[in-house]
Amino acid sequence: DGGITQSPKYLFRKEGQNVTLSCEQNLNHDAMYWYRQDPGQGLRLIYYSQIVNDFQKGDIAEGYSVSREKKESFPLTVTSAQKNPTAFYLCASSIRYRGSGHQPQHFGDGTRLSIL
Amino acid sequence: AQSVTQPDIHITVSEGASLELRCNYSYGATPYLFWYVQSPGQGLQLLLKYFSGDTLVQGIKGFEAEFKRSQSSFNLRKPSVHWSDAAEYFCAVALRRNTPLVFGKGTRLSVIA
Repeated sequence: DGGITQSPKYLFRKEGQNVTLSCEQNLNHDAMYWYRQDPGQGLRLIYYSQIVNDFQKGDIAEGYSVSREKKESFPLTVTSAQKNPTAFYLCASSIRYRGSGHQPQHFGDGTRLSIL
Repeated sequence: AQSVTQPDIHITVSEGASLELRCNYSYGATPYLFWYVQSPGQGLQLLLKYFSGDTLVQGIKGFEAEFKRSQSSFNLRKPSVHWSDAAEYFCAVALRRNTPLVFGKGTRLSVIA
């Protein structure tokens, strides 16, 4: 079945350490997104990419980095500069729609990151 | 500022009762509108979407939503709630085609017997 795979499901980070969250999709979607979810805050956009080798900052990009070397993959690195990284991270993807309307995003099951 | 507001943080309803979850947006033009549902520890699942046309849209799991331009609202409804509907519900908008979604802060739904 097609879908979005996020790994690992749980991740722990030590102080001063960078960690990378994986997001892979086999939906042949052009666009991919990373969101951060905190209790009572909804989802906030970290980075997004509409095509390979191109990405844009979202509302809370500081302390995060991404790459988009392949259409299927959009890994997120949480750097040591991110002082409050404990959160639930969600990856999503969507088709770049060429007609009228807007294609919905499909979501992975998330990665929960905690600080040791 | 442009925003999506879900006024109710937490709602509790009895099983079999009707449900309405509110969503308001503050964009000048009519955005693309979505409702998603999230079970604990899971990703989000699309319930329904509105782009144009009939202002009452049907979704999965017996949900529907009505777009009201005059009120800048896109409220989600279900005539009879089931215990399995307990989850968090998010309203989301996109202002233009192929742009990221902006999410409300969510409404947590509890269902009691």
